[in-house]
Amino acid sequence: TAGITQAPTSQILAAGRSMTLRCTQDMRHNAMYWYRQDLGLGLRLIHYSNTAGTTGKGEVPDGYSVSRANTDDFPLTLASAVPSQTSVYFCASSEQGGGNQPQHFGDGTRLSIL
Amino acid sequence: AQTVTQSQPEMSVQEAETVTLSCTYDTSESNYYLFWYKQPPSRQMILVIRQEAYKQQNATENRFSVNFQKAAKSFSLKISDSQLGDTAMYFCAFMPNFGNEKLTFGTGTRLTIIP
Repeated sequence: TAGITQAPTSQILAAGRSMTLRCTQDMRHNAMYWYRQDLGLGLRLIHYSNTAGTTGKGEVPDGYSVSRANTDDFPLTLASAVPSQTSVYFCASSEQGGGNQPQHFGDGTRLSIL
Repeated sequence: AQTVTQSQPEMSVQEAETVTLSCTYDTSESNYYLFWYKQPPSRQMILVIRQEAYKQQNATENRFSVNFQKAAKSFSLKISDSQLGDTAMYFCAFMPNFGNEKLTFGTGTRLTIIP
C-alpha cells in the first residue's frame, strides 16, 4: 500500500524561484494537510483541505498556496521562495477532518532555499 | 488557541527499561483528541497512540500506554520494555473534536535507547 507519496524527496532552490511540492494519496481520504517542520518548533499547519474543491488556511499560510482539484492530489506551491521557507514539508491525510480520524503522513520533502 | 508543551527536549534510557515522556496542553475545549507520534531517523511520522478526552480509561497499544489527566491537562507516554527501535523523536499533538482542523504539535522529545 503506497499511502501518501510526496515528491521530490529533497530540493535545493534559489530564492525568488517558484516550486510546487507534490502530494498524492491512494486511500481516498477526504481531508489533506500540509505541515512544515522546523527545529525547535515542531510541526505547524500551513494549509488544509476538508474535501476536494475546498481549502483552508492553517497557522503559517503566508507565502504558500494550495489547490485541491481532486481527492487524491494536494500540491503546495511557493510562488517566490525565500530562505525562511527552508524546512521539511509533510503532507498528511485523514478519512475526514476532525480528531476522530487520525492523520497519516508522507515521508516529507526537505527543501532548502538559498 | 491551543498550546502543547513538551518540557523534555532529550531523554535517554537503557534498553528494556521503562521511560515516560511528558506532555501538557492548554485549551478551553471540553471535547478533544490527543495523540503521540513517533518520528524515527527515517523522518516518517508514525501514529503511536490516540486518546479521546471523553474517555477516562487510558489508551494502551502494546508496550505504549498513556497517563491522561484531564483536570491537570497532562498526557504522558509510557514506553515499557524499551527497544532500540524506539529511538526517535516523539511528538505530542492535540486536536479539538469539532470546528477546527488544526492538529497542534509540541516541539518534540528526542528519545535515545542505549544498548
